[in-house]
Amino acid sequence: ELKVEQNPLFLSMQEGKNYTIYCNYSTTSDRLYWYRQDPGKSLESLFVLLSNGAVKQEGRLMASLDTKARLSTLHITAAVHDLSATYFCAVDLISSGSARQLTFGSGTQLTVLP
Amino acid sequence: KAGVTQTPRYLIKTRGQQVTLSCSPISGHRSVSWYQQTPGQGLQFLFEYFSETQRNKGNFPGRFSGRQFSNSRSEMNVSTLELGDSALYLCASGRTSGNTIYFGEGSWLTVV
Repeated sequence: ELKVEQNPLFLSMQEGKNYTIYCNYSTTSDRLYWYRQDPGKSLESLFVLLSNGAVKQEGRLMASLDTKARLSTLHITAAVHDLSATYFCAVDLISSGSARQLTFGSGTQLTVLP
Repeated sequence: KAGVTQTPRYLIKTRGQQVTLSCSPISGHRSVSWYQQTPGQGLQFLFEYFSETQRNKGNFPGRFSGRQFSNSRSEMNVSTLELGDSALYLCASGRTSGNTIYFGEGSWLTVV
């Protein structure tokens, strides 16, 4: 059974600071996703990481994937209040062909304080 | 380009009733999947459909079922509702060869 663990689960950080969210998973996978969820809203796609060593950046967020370590990180640079949200990583348990079955981490609730 | 559309957005049902939720994927997307989100269990995979066939199913009881139509629209049904079925039900769609999976706004179900 695939397990996806995120840490920390809760993160309060000051504006302007840097921090990293970690996502560990228990079995081989070739697709890792990061999503953002605002309260009462749906999931917004942030990144899709497809191979070992993949790095993607968008604004103050940067995601990376190490498939050998089964670890992905989401790095936040110079946080701003607008980044306050819950961030989920998800691993795609490919069972056959192009089937999709995401297993999600528990989420990291990020609060950026002024 | 329209996103993933889910209806209804909010509904309240009584224990024992059944409910049907609808999802229209992004145009051109043939894979549709469903997820349940609750505060206690987080986000859990329900099932995935492609070309009207269920390809994958999560660990949910048989009360949860779904189907996909020839136009890729999908419905999920929950019969004999229980209080624990109260959740946000999310539909997601993706291309056959694409990588990004897009989620709809969800259907908030409250069982009383």
